[in-house]
Amino acid sequence: GQQVMQIPQYQHVQEGEDFTTYCNSSTTLSNIQWYKQRPGGHPVFLIQLVKSGEVKKQKRLTFQFGEAKKNSSLHITATQTTDVGTYFCAGQRGAQKLVFGQGTRLTINP
Amino acid sequence: DTGVSQNPRHKITKRGQNVTFRCDPISEHNRLYWYRQTLGQGPEFLTYFQNEAQLEKSRLLSDRFSAERPKGSFSTLEIQRTEQGDSAMYLCASSSLMGFDEKLFFGSGTQLSVL
Repeated sequence: GQQVMQIPQYQHVQEGEDFTTYCNSSTTLSNIQWYKQRPGGHPVFLIQLVKSGEVKKQKRLTFQFGEAKKNSSLHITATQTTDVGTYFCAGQRGAQKLVFGQGTRLTINP
Repeated sequence: DTGVSQNPRHKITKRGQNVTFRCDPISEHNRLYWYRQTLGQGPEFLTYFQNEAQLEKSRLLSDRFSAERPKGSFSTLEIQRTEQGDSAMYLCASSSLMGFDEKLFFGSGTQLSVL
């Protein structure tokens, strides 16, 4: 079945440093989504990428979808303490269910 | 739009007991998902519905787990003869599938502790 892998599992940074998490799918995807889960909270939708090579930005967050539509990345520039949480990617093939990666837990030293 | 509602928020039960959780999705959403999440892990797919039809159930899910979505509205997830390994956060999410464009809205979850 479809698998979505994320690395790293954990990342600890100093406030102000950049952060990147990577997502790889075992199969070609129709779209990939990113969610953020704050400690003690539930996953919240951030963005969806659909096109090959697509790049989208949300303030300090940059999302990329690979040319082969099998991988994606999330990059945060100049992290802030409000960025703390676990970031999940979730891949979808056609109208099939979303499959989540294991997530990257980001902690920040102020 | 009041969001996805899950009840109860917390459930403590003894091993061997049955438990039932309820999820009320966003009203116009036709898809409803159940996920299980343990500490430090991503949401693990359990099952999902499109309207009242259960489209898929995880092969990892034992026969002790059953879910229903009568009339395509709210859903219930029942776990029979609970085991300590069932302790986890059970998350419900709903979405409105339009073409291949699907965005999940999660509820706050039900935290199950099996003693």
